[in-house]
Amino acid sequence: QVQLVESGGGLVKPGGSLTLSCAASGFISDLYLSWIRQAPGKGLEWVSYISGSGARIYYAESVKGRVTISRDNAKNSMSLQMESLRVDDTAVYYCAGDSGDGVAYWGQGTQVTVSS
Amino acid sequence: QSVLMQPPSVSGAPGQRVTISCTGNNSNIGAGYDVHWYQQLPGTAPKLLIYNFSIRPSGVPARFSASKSDTSASLAITGLQAEDEADYYCQSYDSVLSARVFGGGTKVTVL
Repeated sequence: QVQLVESGGGLVKPGGSLTLSCAASGFISDLYLSWIRQAPGKGLEWVSYISGSGARIYYAESVKGRVTISRDNAKNSMSLQMESLRVDDTAVYYCAGDSGDGVAYWGQGTQVTVSS
Repeated sequence: QSVLMQPPSVSGAPGQRVTISCTGNNSNIGAGYDVHWYQQLPGTAPKLLIYNFSIRPSGVPARFSASKSDTSASLAITGLQAEDEADYYCQSYDSVLSARVFGGGTKVTVL
């Protein structure tokens, strides 16, 4: 069983930077790992994902050019570097894992608040 | 505006059957891409409820079922219970966007 724990969220000013981390327990090398966010009172938005080998990466248009996803399978971890943060990036960010058959593994979420 | 359209809310009395639609097009559901459903209880992370159109993961009650027809999918809850009050999301892949996409979500209220 895979467990995912996020860290690194917090309050940041517009234009600032933040790095989110996801620590995993269990075998994750074959899993796609994702960051999925949920703005206050809104639905789910797929922000980014990275394949098990790291060869395939996706970024939503809303964050493209401002975020970088990476993973280290040896350390069972993944991260999301975020720059030029905007107010509308405010959301709970979930670390998530899947093998292609739906997202079976979710972290508890970490809050990112962008405000002056 | 999501490419997968869901009704904002549905409601039903305990014991009733409710259905949630997820309407897509020929670049996602109609193209044969898998549809998955998630349940999000208040204040918690989403949970995988149904995957690959109609398969329930271990531990998901049999009162949850799902199906697909042409460019849409639907989730049914039979024998509605108070603990089913939650937000429900469909998810698939869209070939035009080259992206995994969620529906806008549906709030289920148990009357």
